[in-house]
Amino acid sequence: DAKTTQPTSMDCAEGRAANLPCNHSTISGNEYVYWYRQIHSQGPQYIIHGLKNNETNEMASLIITEDRKSSTLILPHATLRDTAVYYCIVRATGANSKLTFGKGITLSVRP
Amino acid sequence: DAGITQSPRHKVTETGTPVTLRCHQTENHRYMYWYRQDPGHGLRLIHYSYGVKDTDKGEVSDGYSVSRSKTEDFLLTLESATSSQTSVYFCAISGGDLSGNTIYFGEGSWLTVV
Repeated sequence: DAKTTQPTSMDCAEGRAANLPCNHSTISGNEYVYWYRQIHSQGPQYIIHGLKNNETNEMASLIITEDRKSSTLILPHATLRDTAVYYCIVRATGANSKLTFGKGITLSVRP
Repeated sequence: DAGITQSPRHKVTETGTPVTLRCHQTENHRYMYWYRQDPGHGLRLIHYSYGVKDTDKGEVSDGYSVSRSKTEDFLLTLESATSSQTSVYFCAISGGDLSGNTIYFGEGSWLTVV
């Protein structure tokens, strides 16, 4: 699977949008961008994924650049409960493809 | 939440003893995975299964074996536990087809080998 690059950490104020960047310059045409998060001591939680179009669900929005070499996860109104490690992962289609986790980005939401 | 139950959730065992962790799912998903998570290493894949009796190794499979005799259960066994296997173990499941290819994780099993 292609590798991703994320900043080590970032913070944002409660109620504001949190924009988490991810670079995946070697992504292949059949690879999706997945985002997971892990709140302390819990299992990783799926957030969203996309191929090339922007995606939105009840948790977040995913913006993928036209060349697909980078993406941004947007939490529109961050709360203290969104403090977590966020993982950006690229993963091929195909049932046999697996998730390979990097170090992720630690998001701290401050009151 | 995906219907994944891991047991036991916490276990302390002695070096050299066998340990089995169980992952049970109620989603009838084809794929099941075992990961471990350690400080400084993130989540690493141990073994995975793509069907009943079909399993394969991940990146850190040494010292572990798995079995899947029915769709809903995936067992991870440490034949002779070592202190290096002290970790948090996460089970995950996936439908495996394009529409259900997202992987969902359980809440983890904390294993301490003393």
